[in-house]
Amino acid sequence: DGGITQSPKYLFRKEGQNVTLSCEQNLNHDAMYWYRQDPGQGLRLIYYSQIVNDFQKGDIAEGYSVSREKKESFPLTVTSAQKNPTAFYLCASSIEGGSNIQYFGAGTRLSVL
Amino acid sequence: GQQLNQSPQSMFIQEGEDVSMNCTSSSIFNTWLWYKQDPGEGPVLLIALYKAGELTSNGRLTAQFGITRKDSFLNISASIPSDVGIYFCAGHPNTGANSKLTFGKGITLSVRP
Repeated sequence: DGGITQSPKYLFRKEGQNVTLSCEQNLNHDAMYWYRQDPGQGLRLIYYSQIVNDFQKGDIAEGYSVSREKKESFPLTVTSAQKNPTAFYLCASSIEGGSNIQYFGAGTRLSVL
Repeated sequence: GQQLNQSPQSMFIQEGEDVSMNCTSSSIFNTWLWYKQDPGEGPVLLIALYKAGELTSNGRLTAQFGITRKDSFLNISASIPSDVGIYFCAGHPNTGANSKLTFGKGITLSVRP
């Protein structure tokens, strides 16, 4: 089946630890995105990538890092510099220059121990 | 930056009732999208709109692209318990390579049996 796979579904981070959230898509989409969702805040863009080996900061990039070494993969690292990491993280992908529709994964819930 | 306004934050209706939601912007968008998010899952696209004045249906859902291109509306008819979730609007200006999708904060819909 074609789609976007996020893993793990639940993740726990200890103080001072970096954690990496996985996002893989087999839709052959050019663009990929990471959003953070907090209750009542909607979706806030962390980073996005329109092409392999290139990515741009979104509205709340501080404390996060990404890489785009392959078209199918766009992992997000939540670094120890992110002081309030507890949230629901969503990955999405879209065809660049197409319908503007973003397709989402099922999300990863990150909590701090 | 561009913002989309959705209010109220929560809506409570009785099963079988119709419900309307709107989404407004101070800027023009050339694509309007409506998504639904079930608890603990990623948003799923309900309806996509690409032309001012366009009216599109998907089962019991109907959405309209406002004539001014600064608003969109979603109607759900004869609500059922599985309509519970968060409904997001999203708009895209289609103004160039760096233009991005903007999301509203969402409306949480509860349906009383």
